[in-house]
Amino acid sequence: GAVVSQHPSRVICKSGTSVKIECRSLDFQATTMFWYRQFPKKSLMLMATSNEGSKATYEQGVEKDKFLINHASLTLSTLTVTSAHPEDSSFYICSAAPPGQGDYGYTFGSGTRLTVV
Amino acid sequence: AQSVSQHNHHVILSEAASLELGCNYSYGGTVNLFWYVQYPGQHLQLLLKYFSGDPLVKGIKGFEAEFIKSKFSFNLRKPSVQWSDTAEYFCAVNVYSSASKIIFGSGTRLSIRP
Repeated sequence: GAVVSQHPSRVICKSGTSVKIECRSLDFQATTMFWYRQFPKKSLMLMATSNEGSKATYEQGVEKDKFLINHASLTLSTLTVTSAHPEDSSFYICSAAPPGQGDYGYTFGSGTRLTVV
Repeated sequence: AQSVSQHNHHVILSEAASLELGCNYSYGGTVNLFWYVQYPGQHLQLLLKYFSGDPLVKGIKGFEAEFIKSKFSFNLRKPSVQWSDTAEYFCAVNVYSSASKIIFGSGTRLSIRP
């Protein structure tokens, strides 16, 4: 089945630094990937849709200059949290589906726990 | 704006009890509907999905859900829960507007007493 890998699983960084999170589709090509943020005891909030070869589509209220998304290949999307602050600490999750199979459900990565100190 | 509502935030049941978790969505266009489960310490997994055809869909582990278009609902059911069903359950909707995207409900935490 479709497998999505996320790296790193945990990262701790200092305020003001930038952190890059990778999302890879291991056994399929993904023209579209989604980035979510999950707050403690709350749902997944869709942050942006990552589009291979073009700009990401950000949801309302998400700062595109703070959360940089790059989808340079059909198997890799990256989310860079720039100038991180403690309030950016959260669980970030990506998801993807093989082309044309989104109707059947998306596969989620295992998530990245970001802690900004 | 599109939204997904899960009214039960925390449900506590005893083993063998029947389960129904509510999910309502607000979107008038074409939708695909999903239930995802997140077991403690694990990532999201697809439980079941509806995209067309029979509105009663069956998923893994004995779960089923019924799509009632007139009520904009997609409730999750299981006739007899087990302790291993303890998890967080998320209803999700794949909406098709300018582009396809999945929106999640706030989740329902299910705790099963052994």
